[in-house]
Amino acid sequence: KNEVEQSPQNLTAQEGEFITINCSYSVGISALHWLQQHPGGGIVSLFMLSSGKKKHGRLIATINIQEKHSSLHITASHPRDSAVYICAVGNTGNQFYFGTGTSLTVIP
Amino acid sequence: KAGVTQTPRYLIKTRGQQVTLSCSPISGHRSVSWYQQTPGQGLQFLFEYFSETQRNKGNFPGRFSGRQFSNSRSEMNVSTLELGDSALYLCASSLQRGLDTQYFGPGTRLTVL
Repeated sequence: KNEVEQSPQNLTAQEGEFITINCSYSVGISALHWLQQHPGGGIVSLFMLSSGKKKHGRLIATINIQEKHSSLHITASHPRDSAVYICAVGNTGNQFYFGTGTSLTVIP
Repeated sequence: KAGVTQTPRYLIKTRGQQVTLSCSPISGHRSVSWYQQTPGQGLQFLFEYFSETQRNKGNFPGRFSGRQFSNSRSEMNVSTLELGDSALYLCASSLQRGLDTQYFGPGTRLTVL
């Protein structure tokens, strides 16, 4: 069993749609990270959360510690949002566990 | 500030050889972590260095090792390369350990023939 489960694995959306990617985890965490990886490999850290909700532009990330669940929302999606989104959790021992990623394609 | 840099960007080796990859963190960052990414296993944590000490290690064999220098630059070494070591190796730096945003380098693409 993976410590971090993401859904869906693949997602295709029309430009302008509201998108939700889900992440569930089974380990005790100190923080949860949402990462974005574009073709070619570069990874960008979008959010780091330990509680509540964070917003950056059209991206919103939420976490429910009790339910061990986090969501990443993209409002008014755009083709440039096409990427792989990865959920990662850092445990209290500072080890990281990664989800398998959600491949998002936004069609103009 | 310059971002995290990794050298080399691409590397081709043959089985049995060893390889050393280098990572220069963002200036002022003291924590460097290394990750392996493969199509089959996804991203996996290799190890973390902070203040020249390995603080954490993932579930990888002893062929994978690393070190950190006093200027926070880090190297990782893989000895006796196997075909399955072909992967993208990423390093990430952060100011501190724990609750801190990680900044990733572009990665080193290692191909083992």
